[in-house]
Amino acid sequence: GDSVTQMEGPVTLSEEAFLTINCTYTATGYPSLFWYVQYPGEGLQLLLKATKADDKGSNKGFEATYRKETTSFHLEKGSVQVSDSAVYFCALGGGTSYGKLTFGQGTILTVHP
Amino acid sequence: NAGVTQTPKFQVLKTGQSMTLQCAQDMNHEYMSWYRQDPGMGLRLIHYSVGAGITDQGEVPNGYNVSRSTTEDFPLRLLSAAPSQTSVYFCASSRRVGSNNEQFFGPGTRLTVL
Repeated sequence: GDSVTQMEGPVTLSEEAFLTINCTYTATGYPSLFWYVQYPGEGLQLLLKATKADDKGSNKGFEATYRKETTSFHLEKGSVQVSDSAVYFCALGGGTSYGKLTFGQGTILTVHP
Repeated sequence: NAGVTQTPKFQVLKTGQSMTLQCAQDMNHEYMSWYRQDPGMGLRLIHYSVGAGITDQGEVPNGYNVSRSTTEDFPLRLLSAAPSQTSVYFCASSRRVGSNNEQFFGPGTRLTVL
């Protein structure tokens, strides 16, 4: 079945540091890939998405590229801010799994001033 | 649009009690789903629906029932609550066509079973 693996957390960074959160997946068919963010006490918001190989999703300074050859969708940001502190989830959907998403375990990011 | 709404926001139950978590969406989305969020485990799918009258089990369906009588509503029923069902529950919806499976989430219900 489909699965998503995220890097172990939590991740703690200083403001303006470079961020990478690794995400790899296993899926049949041609899934779409997503990064969702959950700020403290809130629900999940879509951060960015990519729907086919080599697509790059971007939003709020975050980027991720759909790499079919390495089955990866790593999240990056060049300079993090304190306000980026949140839980980040990698997810896949579509392919053979319409109407539902398969999530990674989530990565807690804390950014200190 | 209100998007996806969930009630209640918080609930405390005793073991063996039953209750229904409500979920509604006003976007005319065909697909709706329920997830539970537990520390270190991400979100796991409980049940989902691809349209009114059609439901199917997800990864962790035991102890939960669903039905979908309208496009807008997708309630989740706990038949006899157990401490293992202490979790945060999220409802989500998406369009069948043209969405690339992007899902919209409600604010969640935090459930504690004593």
